[in-house]
Order: sequence, then structure tokens, then C-alpha cells
Amino acid sequence: AQSVTQPDIHITVSEGASLELRCNYSYGATPYLFWYVQSPGQGLQLLLKYFSGDTLVQGIKGFEAEFKRSQSSFNLRKPSVHWSDAAEYFCAVEDTGTASKLTFGTGTRLQVTL
Amino acid sequence: GAVVSQHPSWVICKSGTSVKIECRSLDFQATTMFWYRQFPKQSLMLMATSNEGSKATYEQGVEKDKFLINHASLTLSTLTVTSAHPEDSSFYICSARGVNNQPQHFGDGTRLSIL
Repeated sequence: AQSVTQPDIHITVSEGASLELRCNYSYGATPYLFWYVQSPGQGLQLLLKYFSGDTLVQGIKGFEAEFKRSQSSFNLRKPSVHWSDAAEYFCAVEDTGTASKLTFGTGTRLQVTL
Repeated sequence: GAVVSQHPSWVICKSGTSVKIECRSLDFQATTMFWYRQFPKQSLMLMATSNEGSKATYEQGVEKDKFLINHASLTLSTLTVTSAHPEDSSFYICSARGVNNQPQHFGDGTRLSIL
């Protein structure tokens, strides 16, 4: 069965600093990978996705993620964090079979200090 | 594009009543819709998957008679929590997926509080 690990439960960075959120996955084939962001009391917004091709994917709000098959990782990065980026971030892997179900990591809560 | 609307956003009701939550895809046809439950400060737990015109597929441990799902059209799915009790209080989120490997797009969630 597929699984997703987000090792960092909570990260605090200063505004303007760079950010990297870690995500490791377990899946038997080439995965479909996603990063979503959730603000308190809200649903999830898709930041970016990887299906195939270029392993460095660009997303919205200045985020990017790099797929590294050898490390089973899909880390999310942003060169300069803004205070409005404070939220919960979820990495997810999709079952590429007929079910197309998403398996989420436990999430990383990002706090941004001014 | 790819907007999913979920209604209501917040509901409080008495124990024993039934509550219906709607999930609509506003600008695309959702061949598949998903219902999740999220406990405070936790990740999303998939409850069930529904395809238009078919019976929903429930995840292990989810009571299908408690959580009734209907996906009557390509733009609407409903989740009805029947005879709700305080332990059913939670944040419920739907998502919808169109054709051709589109990612899931999520509604804003419904906070359900059972007194």
C-alpha cells in the first residue's frame, strides 16, 4: 500500500527566509505526487503536481517541488517566504490505478515570524 | 477554473438528527467525487469514493448506513450523516475530479457539531 511521510510536524521560519518542506513516499510504480495547502478552517488548495516529465515542477504562489526517484522524495521549496504562507501543508500520492485515491501525509504546520 | 463548492460551511444540530452536506463542481464535470473526514490537527481520512450514477465505495471501517453518499449528477454529490451523534462531530471535506488525469479539487469543508 502507498504511504506518505512528512517528517516535520511543525516548522518556523522568518519572513524572507527560504523554505523546504520534506515529503517521502512509498509506492510501487511511478507515482503521481501533489502538494496541497490548507488555511485554518478551510479546504485544500492545490499548489503543484507531478505526473511525469521534468522532475522540477513549478506551482502557484512561488512554490516549486523536485521529484527524486532515488530518494523517494518530493520536497516543497520556496526561496522567500511571506507571512501569508503560514498554513498547513500536505503532501499526497495518488493511486494511479482505477481508484485514483489520494493518500495524504500527516501535514507540516508552517509558522512565519516577522 | 476547477471550483468546488461545499455547503453548508458550518452546521450545529441536535443528537439524533440527520444532516446533509452538498458538494458541487461549479465549472467542470466531476466524474469522481471523494469525501474526507479531518479531525483537529490531523490529516485527511478518506471515507468514500463515488462515481456518478454508481454506488459509493466506502473505505474500511466507514459505516455506509451512517454516512450515505449520493452522486446523482456530474456536478453534485451529497453526504448525509444519519442519526448523528457527538462522536460524528468533525470537519468534512469533499473533492471532485474531472476527466483526463485532472487532480482533485477540494471544497472549503463543512464543520459539523453535534450537541
